[in-house]
Amino acid sequence: NAGVMQNPRHLVRRRGQEARLRCSPMKGHSHVYWYRQLPEEGLKFMVYLQKENIIDESGMPKERFSAEFPKEGPSILRIQQVVRGDSAAYFCASSPPGLAGGSGNEQFFGPGTRLTVL
Amino acid sequence: AQSVTQLDSQVPVFEEAPVELRCNYSSSVSVYLFWYVQYPNQGLQLLLKYLSGSTLVKGINGFEAEFNKSQTSFHLRKPSVHISDTAEYFCAVRGFNTNAGKSTFGDGTTLTVKP
Repeated sequence: NAGVMQNPRHLVRRRGQEARLRCSPMKGHSHVYWYRQLPEEGLKFMVYLQKENIIDESGMPKERFSAEFPKEGPSILRIQQVVRGDSAAYFCASSPPGLAGGSGNEQFFGPGTRLTVL
Repeated sequence: AQSVTQLDSQVPVFEEAPVELRCNYSSSVSVYLFWYVQYPNQGLQLLLKYLSGSTLVKGINGFEAEFNKSQTSFHLRKPSVHISDTAEYFCAVRGFNTNAGKSTFGDGTTLTVKP
């Protein structure tokens, strides 16, 4: 069983461009979470999705950021008009279906996408 | 809402010495507790978790942690560390029975094991 897959692993964008980060959860997992890790900091929750639904987006910046988890295909985190402050590692995690969003279930993390904005 | 405080940002120790990485949390609801390890340029790997039951939890790589509800702490320990334990360690909490599912992480502790 392959783990959580993220691509690309490294992404370089110039200010004003768009960044698209992809996450394929583990097989059988229906919950996806995106976290951002700024240098020298811990992971900060961004958004929690189930198939075709955004469950909690309380950590998403109000502008330029969006996420989706379509019925088919990977989850996408999209950042429009990137700025230097968006440079960070973005991690995706997935967990299996379960009680209350899988609160007690382990979240399996992908290797991350390191975004650099020039 | 939850918050996590990792009391030491850096912990240097010598090989084969014991180590304790401290974690305190605050929450208005009961929580599950987790410790993760992150090696350079990699994702997070679960070391151990506390869901319920015995407050002493054993994890992988010889690590263990003790949940102390009265002190709202979940300190990570290892009796004898190896060079290969050098990494970043994160404490995290997640609320019971919420539909959020999100984890709240501390800022991390860098463990450096010296020969």
